[in-house]
Amino acid sequence: QQQVKQSPQSLIVQKGGISIINCAYENTAFDYFPWYQQFPGKGPALLIAIRPDVSEKKEGRFTISFNKSAKQFSLHIMDSQPGDSATYFCAARDNQGGKLIFGQGTELSVKP
Amino acid sequence: EAGVAQSPRYKIIEKRQSVAFWCNPISGHATLYWYQQILGQGPKLLIQFQNNGVVDDSQLPKDRFSAERLKGVDSTLKIQPAKLEDSAVYLCASSLAPSNEQYFGPGTRLTVT
Repeated sequence: QQQVKQSPQSLIVQKGGISIINCAYENTAFDYFPWYQQFPGKGPALLIAIRPDVSEKKEGRFTISFNKSAKQFSLHIMDSQPGDSATYFCAARDNQGGKLIFGQGTELSVKP
Repeated sequence: EAGVAQSPRYKIIEKRQSVAFWCNPISGHATLYWYQQILGQGPKLLIQFQNNGVVDDSQLPKDRFSAERLKGVDSTLKIQPAKLEDSAVYLCASSLAPSNEQYFGPGTRLTVT
């Protein structure tokens, strides 16, 4: 069974704070781990992604930390801004056909 | 570059009626995906096309859902007959190939009453 479990379900952070969202997967047949950002009424948009041979990837204020042995990965948003308020989804891509398995989502609210 | 286009954006139907959604992927993208996103959940893949062939439809409820991509470009997803539990946002995505980034459309919000 391919599953990706995401937590927390919702998160409230003060402006300038650090937002941390965690994901865990069960199947080892994944070759790519993207994070998507979704605003109300919009489709998900790729935010940042990592491959399992790398332990960390940073792009601006966004960092993915990846722990292959624990089958866990997390998204850190530094200096969180009200404009970051959105729903965030982690995902894992099946290495056979490109199918994405999504987590349940985290609704982030950054308070000014 | 134009993004993934979907129509309609919203649809309200009664249970047991039929409905169809349309998707126009990014030009040149060979791989097309339909996802179902139920409120409060992550998207779930319904069907994946490579050009006009089906790669994965393992989670498509084939007794009521059908999809086609006849010329390897546009795609339609149909539900007949609809059930209350089909209320969701239906997202279309496309990519150059299965190993490339997926770009999502804005989705069609379906409400079944």
